[in-house]
Parts: sequence; structure tokens; C-alpha cells
Amino acid sequence: DTGVSQDPRHKITKRGQNVTFRCDPISEHNRLYWYRQTLGQGPEFLTYFQNEAQLEKSRLLSDRFSAERPKGSFSTLEIQRTEQGDSAMYLCASSSDPLVYGYTFGSGTRLTVV
Amino acid sequence: GQQLNQSPQSMFIQEGEDVSMNCTSSSIFNTWLWYKQDPGEGPVLLIALYKAGELTSNGRLTAQFGITRKDSFLNISASIPSDVGIYFCAGQKLGTYKYIFGTGTRLKVLA
Repeated sequence: DTGVSQDPRHKITKRGQNVTFRCDPISEHNRLYWYRQTLGQGPEFLTYFQNEAQLEKSRLLSDRFSAERPKGSFSTLEIQRTEQGDSAMYLCASSSDPLVYGYTFGSGTRLTVV
Repeated sequence: GQQLNQSPQSMFIQEGEDVSMNCTSSSIFNTWLWYKQDPGEGPVLLIALYKAGELTSNGRLTAQFGITRKDSFLNISASIPSDVGIYFCAGQKLGTYKYIFGTGTRLKVLA
């Protein structure tokens, strides 16, 4: 297992289009997190899953955003009707026990909305 | 969303110098983490702290969990050019399984 994988690494989309990102966590990690990072800021929490259950969502996650983890393995984050303010790095992280081991992050998906 | 305050925001130092940075919050945290992020990559975990007052080292890095549980500190000794990057603290509140990140300290090392 080579770590947390995110796809694509970069995405340029026109305003109003829908985009979907994928995250493949470390295989034995049951917890999966999505964060958003804008330029010059730290990562901001969006949502997290324990296995297939989505246990918490941030108020940052508007109704245009949806995340799934259907079989408790990979996860997808979809943004509908993208806006320029959605331009950011979207980071996925996983952990078997975040209170002991923290998170392992992927390399992120850089979204640019034009 | 909530972010922790990190200081300084950025710093230039000479190679070989020691570096200190800190992270503060108005809330009490149960666990503190320190991460380093290189451009275009995700953050990489450096050190984890679990108890108030705890001092933990990882090579040239030493971090401390503040005794008030509202702050944490990171020191880098004898800095080298590859220490360049952005350092983030992250805190976990009791009863939660997520971390809140700081605003970051950008470090630049002059050879």
C-alpha cells in the first residue's frame, strides 16, 4: 500500500460545471476525511466517514457538495454548479485511529474554477 | 471554519540557526499534531503530542504540549535548506475525531 491516493491531481473547470474527486485511503484505515485548503490557509475540515457512515459534516459543506464512501473503501467528493470560490486544494486523509496516529494525507486535488 | 493561530506567519532564517514557532487557541485540546507541507503536496505528520506538558522529539524537531492545553510549540534545531516549507499545528478536542488546523508558519532557510 503506497499511501492515500487522490485523483485527479489537478482539475480546471468552467463555472457552473459539476466535478467529482476520488480518494483511495490506506486499505486498513476505517476513517476517511475531506479537507479544503485555500491559498495561504491551513486545511479546513469538510466531512468525515467511519467505514461507510458519514459521521460529521462542516457548515462549509453547502448543499452543492456531497461526499460518499459507498463500501467503506474509496470516497468521492462531488461539487455541483461550481463557483469561483470553490477554487482550492481538496485534501483527503485517512487513519485507523486519529487520536493515536493522526492522519495520513494524500497529495490533494487542486481545483481551479474559471 | 475555525483555525488555530500560529506565530510567526513566516520567517527567514540562516542555515544552521534554530527555529521556534507556536500555536495558540482559546479552546482546550486533547491531542496536538505538527505537520509540514511542501508546495503542491499534502501535509506530512512530524510529531504527535498526547499529554499536557509533554515534550517529544523527532530528530532535530522538538515539540511541546502546553500545560494549559491551549497551546503547543515546535522547535527546529540547526536548520537545513530542506526544512523549507509550511508548518501546521493541528488540535483535537475531547470527544471528537477530527483535527482543527492552524494558519501555518512558512519557513524559508537561507543557505
